[in-house]
Amino acid sequence: GAGVSQTPSNKVTEKGKYVELRCDPISGHTALYWYRQSLGQGPEFLIYFQGTGAADDSGLPNDRFFAVRPEGSVSTLKIQRTERGDSAVYLCASSPMGETQYFGPGTRLLVL
Amino acid sequence: SQQGEEDPQALSIQEGENATMNCSYKTSINNLQWYRQNSGRGLVHLILIRSNEREKHSGRLRVTLDTSKKSSSLLITASRAADTASYFCATDASNYQLIWGAGTKLIIKP
Repeated sequence: GAGVSQTPSNKVTEKGKYVELRCDPISGHTALYWYRQSLGQGPEFLIYFQGTGAADDSGLPNDRFFAVRPEGSVSTLKIQRTERGDSAVYLCASSPMGETQYFGPGTRLLVL
Repeated sequence: SQQGEEDPQALSIQEGENATMNCSYKTSINNLQWYRQNSGRGLVHLILIRSNEREKHSGRLRVTLDTSKKSSSLLITASRAADTASYFCATDASNYQLIWGAGTKLIIKP
């Protein structure tokens, strides 16, 4: 079956702009996760959804970051007033019941 | 914050040799997982070992876990060029949030 997909694969934006990153999880997976990965580092947890609700958003770095999953499937990570430090690969993962997480290819965000 | 630390940061070996990577972590865990990441691609789950397990095998992979030392090792036997990738350990202390190390970059020379 289809894996986790993320769009766009690459996004270049200017400092101060708003961006939306989309994640389509594996069908039927109730858990969805967002991570951010900087060059040479491991992923950093941002937020976890169980169904439609954000069960844990403690990893979001500040209030410029927000994520939604209105119907319990597709999720959108929203970043307002982007800063150069937001440049990273944003990874989405889904899981049927926790434990193993299945990752998408990521969105590479570059803020100029 | 990152919990796991992989060692070494980089490893270069000849094809056919075995590769061993280590991971140390700080807090109690439910399980520890190893993932592989090829350049420009997403993370692929390799193996999961639970806190009550000491060793696990999957194909050419062997993982050990020592909870008293808060450490794990990943052994890849008979390495192949296709094994060239970054390898990450991730610990699960809360049944959902994975905490990651910075990874080991493995290069297999033909």
